[in-house]
Amino acid sequence: DQQVKQNSPSLSVQEGRISILNCDYTNSMFDYFLWYKKYPAEGPTFLISISSIKDKNEDGRFTVFLNKSAKHLSLHIVPSQPGDSAVYFCAARAGGTSYGKLTFGQGTILTVHP
Amino acid sequence: KAGVTQTPRYLIKTRGQQVTLSCSPISGHRSVSWYQQTPGQGLQFLFEYFSETQRNKGNFPGRFSGRQFSNSRSEMNVSTLELGDSALYLCASSLVGVSGELFFGEGSRLTVL
Repeated sequence: DQQVKQNSPSLSVQEGRISILNCDYTNSMFDYFLWYKKYPAEGPTFLISISSIKDKNEDGRFTVFLNKSAKHLSLHIVPSQPGDSAVYFCAARAGGTSYGKLTFGQGTILTVHP
Repeated sequence: KAGVTQTPRYLIKTRGQQVTLSCSPISGHRSVSWYQQTPGQGLQFLFEYFSETQRNKGNFPGRFSGRQFSNSRSEMNVSTLELGDSALYLCASSLVGVSGELFFGEGSRLTVL
């Protein structure tokens, strides 16, 4: 039972354009969501997060949107840069659980072409 | 500020052996979690330790175990290795109560032959 789903295995975008990565979840107990970026042979790096009491959070070029009724979140990267090429993971934490337990999606490979 | 450090980075074992992986969290972080990453299953939560106590455990067999020391450093052990245990094992630490993100190490790549 995959509680966090990233339905697009890959995404290709031109440099300077917007990248939109999507994530769906099924568990209504999830109340905190995070996005991580991962390069090969490295550990995931935290990008941005959002609490379920918000519907938007921005940090520089990165914006995360949360639609609780649709159980959907998205990560927008504007403008996209070649250095953004990596695997992006969506993750969620259920309320009342310990900090360290995250449920991850399968990841989306983002390729930004110069 | 040093990040999460995992050792060894790479190791090769044979079926039936056991392995111990080590993780040093970011200074001041008292929560340490372990994850397994495989191509088929993605990132799966193994367990979490806080103040030397296991707070949460994922859906893995009893061959997978861990512990945390008083200095917050953690180890995980896998006994009676199987081919399917080949994976990248990631350790993450967090500053409980301040922010929600986990900080990951670079991982230990285990190959079981």
